This record gives sequence, structure tokens and C-alpha cells, in this order.
Amino acid sequence: QLVLTQSPSASASLGASVKLTCTLSSGHSNYAIAWHQQQPEKGPRYLMKLNSDGSHSKGDGIPDRFSGSSSGAERYLTISSLQSEDEADYYCQTWGTGIQLFGGGTKLTVL
Amino acid sequence: EVQLMESGGGLVQPGGSLRLSCAASGFTFNNYGMSWVRQAPGQGLEWVSTISGSGGTPNYADSVKGRFVIFRDNSKNTLYLQMNSLRAEDTAVYYCAKISVVGATTGGVDYWGQGTLVTVSS
Repeated sequence: QLVLTQSPSASASLGASVKLTCTLSSGHSNYAIAWHQQQPEKGPRYLMKLNSDGSHSKGDGIPDRFSGSSSGAERYLTISSLQSEDEADYYCQTWGTGIQLFGGGTKLTVL
Repeated sequence: EVQLMESGGGLVQPGGSLRLSCAASGFTFNNYGMSWVRQAPGQGLEWVSTISGSGGTPNYADSVKGRFVIFRDNSKNTLYLQMNSLRAEDTAVYYCAKISVVGATTGGVDYWGQGTLVTVSS
């Protein structure tokens, strides 16, 4: 069964870097995902598509501070030089035949 | 510039019906699959339904199968979600979303609307 697992919360200091993880369920380690950001009281915003080989393509206007990488069934979103506006919920998304799926989201707090 | 604008949300009683609309612009609408994604208060994102660019191949989450119908009018660049037999647990903000790959019947979302709130309550 296709499942995406994310830690519920993460925190890092202003100006530092943070790496968020999205884990694909067993047997699905070759799946691509997408990362989305949802700032408080706003709708989601597409950040990037991330392939199993770590290649990624970002959405319009997404700063270079946001990058993606992959290792096995893990998909990562790294945010460097953290800013206050990066405090948000981050969701990973994947898809298969006839289905789309979201992870539970990670709430990032910028200290 | 891609724009997706939802409308049609509101308060409806349990067992009632509601139709959501999503007006799209800034891209060749009939080349792309479209999805509805919802978010209950204080909860995460939940996929609801997806339809291909031609209007065929609709797919639904188990939670709405048999009650919701997704369809589109490519002449009007508009996506719809007909919601029937509504339940309290359908209360959520409903987002319209564009699939990123031309011609794909499923895939990652690359643009989102601003959402419309549906409240199911007596």
C-alpha cells in the first residue's frame, strides 16, 4: 500500500538550515514526489517535484534556498538560510494509477 | 500566469448537495488533468478526486466515491465538483489543483487555487 510518512514537527533557528524527510512505503522507493508549502492561513504552494534519483524541478519563483534530494525511499527538502516566512506546514505528495496521496505534513517552526 | 479560482462553497445541511466550480486561466486547460484536494479544519491535505484533460478517467478517494462527481467543461475552462449526500466530515476547505504533466491522468500538483470553504452542519 502506497503511504507517505512525515514527522509531525521540526524546528530550526533563523538563518540555519533544516532538512525535512518524507518516506515512501516499502516497494515504492522509485516513486517521484512533490513538495508543497502551506503558510499559516494560506493555501498550499508548490515547491518542487523530486525524482528518485534526486533530480528536481522547482516551481515559479521558488528561491534557491529550497532544494531537494533522495536516498532510497527517503525524499528530502532542505531549506537553507531560514527566514521567518519559512515557518509553515510542508507536505509531500505522490501519485499512482488512479490515486494521489499526501503525507501528514511537517510543521516547521523557525526559532 | 496560471490562475485557479474556486467558488460555490457555503453552509449546507447534512444530506444536502453543493456544486463547486474552479475557473482556470493562463494555460491550455484541456491539456491538463485537474484535481480537487480538501483540508478539514486543523488537519492535513486530503486528495478527493482527479479528472483527465479530456474529461474522462475520473478517480475518487474512497471517502467520497459514490457521493461526489468530478467533471469539467473545457469550452469554459472550468472544473466542477458535484457533492451529494454531504456529511459533517466533508466540512473542509476545497482546493482546485492543476496536474503538472501535459496529458497525464494523474501526477504531481504544480498550481493551487485559494480554496473555498464547505461547511456541513444543521
